[in-house]
Amino acid sequence: DVQLVESGGGLIQPGGSLRLSCEASGFTFESYTMNWVRQAPGKGLEWISYISSGSYNIYYADSVRGRFTISRDNAKKSLYLQMDRLRVEDTALYYCASGLGLSIRDAFDIWGQGTMVTVSS
Amino acid sequence: QAVVTQEPSLTVSPGGTVTLTCGSSTGDVTGRHFPYWFQQKPGQAPRILIFDTSDKHESTPARFSGSLIGGKAALTLSGAQPEDEAAYYCLLSFGGTVNFGGGTKLTVL
Repeated sequence: DVQLVESGGGLIQPGGSLRLSCEASGFTFESYTMNWVRQAPGKGLEWISYISSGSYNIYYADSVRGRFTISRDNAKKSLYLQMDRLRVEDTALYYCASGLGLSIRDAFDIWGQGTMVTVSS
Repeated sequence: QAVVTQEPSLTVSPGGTVTLTCGSSTGDVTGRHFPYWFQQKPGQAPRILIFDTSDKHESTPARFSGSLIGGKAALTLSGAQPEDEAAYYCLLSFGGTVNFGGGTKLTVL
């Protein structure tokens, strides 16, 4: 089955760091572009970062640029999101999503079930 | 940064037709914004319904269609079913970034 499974979420204090992972199975991960999308409790979707299949193109939303770093390891079929200097407003369910194609909009075909990040003192 | 606007909530009768819209603070939405539409049910991840204005994902029921109407992207549901009750999000592309709309909570009642 085609699947994305996120992990690494949890409770963290403001200013802290957390690393999320997204493990892929059932498809040729190295050919797919990837996004991270988050959803604050009871709120809408927010795109936060994109990485191309070979990691050559990387984009961030203004809200996380300079604090979050996206990366991938195609040999491990895994996507990562390093989150530093976390803020209360980063509290959300974090989804990874993927698809074939070269642009950000192409990477929303397959979604994981999300991992929850809570930033609170 | 562009703001993408959607109706916060809409209600449709079973079997009825409803149109959800998606606007941009930068002006008219066109095909160059490559509008996408997603459906999200409670406790589930979003799933794609429409891409590039009007193209359907392979799993999208035929009763859903996408278009451009009056300077906005539009998602029309014809013949609403109870299982269509969900939140619907549009996505617009702006060069090297994308923005989701705030979502429309659709009630089938």
